Order: sequence, then C-alpha cells, then structure tokens
Amino acid sequence: QVQLQESGPGLVKPSETLSLICTVSGDPISGYYWSWIRQPPGKGLEWIGYISSSGSTNYNPSLKSRVIISVDPSKNQFSLRLSSVTAADSALYYCARDGYDASNYGYIAIDIWGQGTKVTVSS
Amino acid sequence: DIQMTQSPSSLSASVGDRVTITCRASQGITNDLGWYQQKPGKAPKCLIYAASSLQSGVPSRFSGSGSGTEFTLTISSLQPEDFATYYCLQHNSFPLTFGQGTKVEIK
Repeated sequence: QVQLQESGPGLVKPSETLSLICTVSGDPISGYYWSWIRQPPGKGLEWIGYISSSGSTNYNPSLKSRVIISVDPSKNQFSLRLSSVTAADSALYYCARDGYDASNYGYIAIDIWGQGTKVTVSS
Repeated sequence: DIQMTQSPSSLSASVGDRVTITCRASQGITNDLGWYQQKPGKAPKCLIYAASSLQSGVPSRFSGSGSGTEFTLTISSLQPEDFATYYCLQHNSFPLTFGQGTKVEIK
C-alpha cells in the first residue's frame, strides 16, 4: 500500500526558503503526478503545484514565481521549495498523488495524501 | 482560474438527516470534480470522483451528481462519523481549485 510522508523544518524565518521532501513508500514514483497542497490554520485547501515522474511541472500562478517542485526517482522522493516566505505561508503542507479507483480504474486527481507537516513562518 | 463556490459554508444536522452540499464552477468543467471529506487533524479523503463515481470502500449513503457548472454531494442518512468538513475539487484546468469547504456539525 502506497504511503507518503512529508519531512522538513517546522519553522522557517521570513524571507527565507521553505524546503520540504515527500518520501514515497510502497510504490514506485513513476507513472503518477505528485502534488503539494497546503492548508493555513483553520482555512481551506490550496493546490500549490505538481510534478510528473518524468519531471514536467505545473504550478499555481498565485505562487509560481516562488515555487520549485522537483523529483528524485532514485530516492522515490519529490520536493517543494518555496522562496521568500512570509507569515501568510504558514500552513499544514500535504504531499499527494493522483490515482485510479481500485474497482473500475476511474481517474482520481488527488487520491493518496500524506499526513501533512506543519510549517510556521516566524522570526 | 476556475472558481469553485461551495454552499453552505456550514450546516447543522442530526443523525439520520439527508444532507446536500453544492459546488458551482465559474465555468464548465464537464465532470472533472471530486468530493473530499476531512476530519480534524487528518488529511482529506476522496469520497467521489468524476462527479458521481463512488470511490471503492466509501459507504453508499454518499452520492454525487452534476455536470458542467453545478454539482451536488448528498449524504442520504447522516451518521455520527460523517461530521466533518467537505470540499469539492475541480481538475478540469490548471490550477486545480478547491471549494472553500462545508463544515457539517451536529445539531
């Protein structure tokens, strides 16, 4: 069974770069799209962007100038870098994967989620 | 960006009630919509994909309908474990966008 686990610093200083890694276990990273999604405290969900296993990316325009998502198939990991952070970037950050329904193989845009990692931006 | 307007933002209901949540898209998204349930401290879980397909393992009291710009999630008989926040997600075009959420609380 595939599992995703986020890791990285829980505290980042303003103007610095937030860096997170998602480690995938139970399934190769190839053949899927791997997303980062965030949720500020008490608020809704925001899709940050995704990367395919071959390295093609698509970012939310609201964050595009500050985001880089990369993939390392050899380590079965993908990562997020968000530069020039402010307090508004404080959130629970989830990594996630698309997938297919187990019964009829219907496409599910965001299927498997990590447990999330809390990042606070503060000096 | 496609805006997803979800309503209501919250509702109070009793066990056994029928509950309906609506998502409206700012432009047509065919059936590229999913519904997610999130409980406190947990990651969201997909209930419905392709607007009306029930994900494997999800109880049949959950159903989805709609196409184009208007979509509905229905819980036919609310159970204690269904008290949570529900989100819609469109994946018809980038960026993927979520509704703002509907919190279902106990009356």
